Amino acid sequence: DTGVSQDPRHKITKRGQNVTFRCDPISEHNRLYWYRQTLGQGPEFLTYFQNEAQLEKSRLLSDRFSAERPKGSFSTLEIQRTEQGDSAMYLCASSPGTGGQETQYFGPGTRLLVL
Amino acid sequence: AQSVTQLGSHVSVSEGALVLLRCNYSSSVPPYLFWYVQYPNQGLQLLLKYTTGATLVKGINGFEAEFKKSETSFHLTKPSAHMSDAAEYFCAVYGANSKLTFGKGITLSVRP
Repeated sequence: DTGVSQDPRHKITKRGQNVTFRCDPISEHNRLYWYRQTLGQGPEFLTYFQNEAQLEKSRLLSDRFSAERPKGSFSTLEIQRTEQGDSAMYLCASSPGTGGQETQYFGPGTRLLVL
Repeated sequence: AQSVTQLGSHVSVSEGALVLLRCNYSSSVPPYLFWYVQYPNQGLQLLLKYTTGATLVKGINGFEAEFKKSETSFHLTKPSAHMSDAAEYFCAVYGANSKLTFGKGITLSVRP
């Protein structure tokens, strides 16, 4: 098991630019989650996928945010027209997806700074 | 709806002392509870979890937590702190639609 990986680990961008993050879940995990963590806070749920289907979206996920998991493996999270308030750590997690309240395994995160 | 309250943002203990990190939860359904640890610039690592059954749960690195339904608590303890325990600790409750709801976290410092 190689664990959940995320790329890039750090991203600095200027306000108004678009950014895209990638998450590779643990092999054969069907569920994939995105969370956002701001300084001094716990992670907040953004969205999750069961295979390629996006099943739940938080109201935190404005229309500038879009997430995809086209083949049910890796996922991308895109932020369009970034704002300074988007600066945060973006965490990805995966779980087997066999049902019930499963343990979610987290990646190292992508830290975004919007200037 | 689910929520988690972690009282205090920072706890400092001496090496070898008892560690106690508090967590209270609110849940409309029987709760599934988790403690995660986060080291600087890293993701979250699972310490332990409670689903059903035994209310005293043992985790990694000598940590344990006890689920007390009457007190809606799930406090994390370790008998003897080690320098390597310095990190941020998050309590979380599993809610509807597979999402975890986290507390704000507690930073644990360990003094030599």
